[in-house]
Amino acid sequence: EPEVTQTPSHQVTQMGQEVILRCVPISNHLYFYWYRQILGQKVEFLVSFYNNEISEKSEIFDDQFSVERPDGSNFTLKIRSTKLEDSAMYFCASTVAQGLGYGYTFGSGTRLTVV
Amino acid sequence: AQSVSQHNHHVILSEAASLELGCNYSYGGTVNLFWYVQYPGQHLQLLLKYFSGDPLVKGIKGFEAEFIKSKFSFNLRKPSVQWSDTAEYFCAVITSGTYKYIFGTGTRLKVLA
Repeated sequence: EPEVTQTPSHQVTQMGQEVILRCVPISNHLYFYWYRQILGQKVEFLVSFYNNEISEKSEIFDDQFSVERPDGSNFTLKIRSTKLEDSAMYFCASTVAQGLGYGYTFGSGTRLTVV
Repeated sequence: AQSVSQHNHHVILSEAASLELGCNYSYGGTVNLFWYVQYPGQHLQLLLKYFSGDPLVKGIKGFEAEFIKSKFSFNLRKPSVQWSDTAEYFCAVITSGTYKYIFGTGTRLKVLA
């Protein structure tokens, strides 16, 4: 069964540093997402991406965050200057079409620890 | 605002006990409903989903869920749990309003051998 692959599985970074989280969505999927889960809290939507642009973003997704699909296969989330509160599990997801009747495939997540 | 509530945050059961985890959502329109399981250190794995049709949905590993539209509920059940069911369980909904997943806070299940 096709998978969404995320790397690294765990990243530790110092506050103020830039991090890039990588995802390889399923090859024929067209819609891509990032979600995050702060420890002990629910999974929250960050951003959706379609046709090489952001289609929706949440309040969490401020100017410190950016996404891109640089080469047609990878989908990256960049945090420009990390804060302690960015520590969380970040999930990438993709789907072939957006709407009812379709579900996402989630990746295994990247646990980001900001120290 | 659309939301998903999971009222049980921590559940502890003995093996062979029956399980029911509650999930309620707030949205009056058409929804798709999902239950995901997350084993320690692993990714979100889809247990089952409801799009339309029979409101009783059967999933993997012996789980099932029932969509009760009048109660805005989608409770997860398993007649006899095993130690290997120890995990965190998330209910999620996609609505016709936003088309993005809204997750509940999760229920951490511990099954004692």
